[in-house]
Amino acid sequence: AQSVAQPEDQVNVAEGNPLTVKCTYSVSGNPYLFWYVQYPNRGLQFLLKYITGDNLVKGSYGFEAEFNKSQTSFHLKKPSALVSDSALYFCAVRVNFNKFYFGSGTKLNVKP
Amino acid sequence: EAGVTQFPSHSVIEKGQTVTLRCDPISGHDNLYWYRRVMGKEIKFLLHFVKESKQDESGMPNNRFLAERTGGTYSTLKVQPAELEDSGVYFCASSQEYRQSQETQYFGPGTRLLVL
Repeated sequence: AQSVAQPEDQVNVAEGNPLTVKCTYSVSGNPYLFWYVQYPNRGLQFLLKYITGDNLVKGSYGFEAEFNKSQTSFHLKKPSALVSDSALYFCAVRVNFNKFYFGSGTKLNVKP
Repeated sequence: EAGVTQFPSHSVIEKGQTVTLRCDPISGHDNLYWYRRVMGKEIKFLLHFVKESKQDESGMPNNRFLAERTGGTYSTLKVQPAELEDSGVYFCASSQEYRQSQETQYFGPGTRLLVL
């Protein structure tokens, strides 16, 4: 069965510090990995995705994620956090042609 | 270009009542998906339309849920009769190309359903 784990319900970081939001997955087959962000009272917004090629993927708002096949991880990172990055982040994996499997979400709190 | 829209944004109903949620996908997107997030848990797949046809409805919880996509444009998701455990946020998403695993799905803002 396909699954995605986001082990941290919440991540707290000070503005200007680097941030990491963790994601691990378990799939049969080659995974396509995605990160989405949900701001309060908004829908899910696409941040970035890994399909193939370079393991380091760059996305919107300065975010990046590193695909690690041996550790089955796809952690989201940003070198310098902003207060405006505070939101709910979802990792997702897609194996077949349609549905996503999502993690439970990680709430990121960036404090001034 | 308008994104995915959903109506209503919030709905509060009593157990046993009926609720209908609507999703308007991005124009030209053949694929439409419904997902649900319950009680702060993971977002779970409900079903997938390709145009007006149900491609995969393996995530539908039970026969109290009925999804339609007449004419291959907007979709409705009806819950009848609603139960307490149906409370959650219902998301709709759309994408353009079928059978493209790398295709990004674009999500709507969700409908928050509370069943009392």
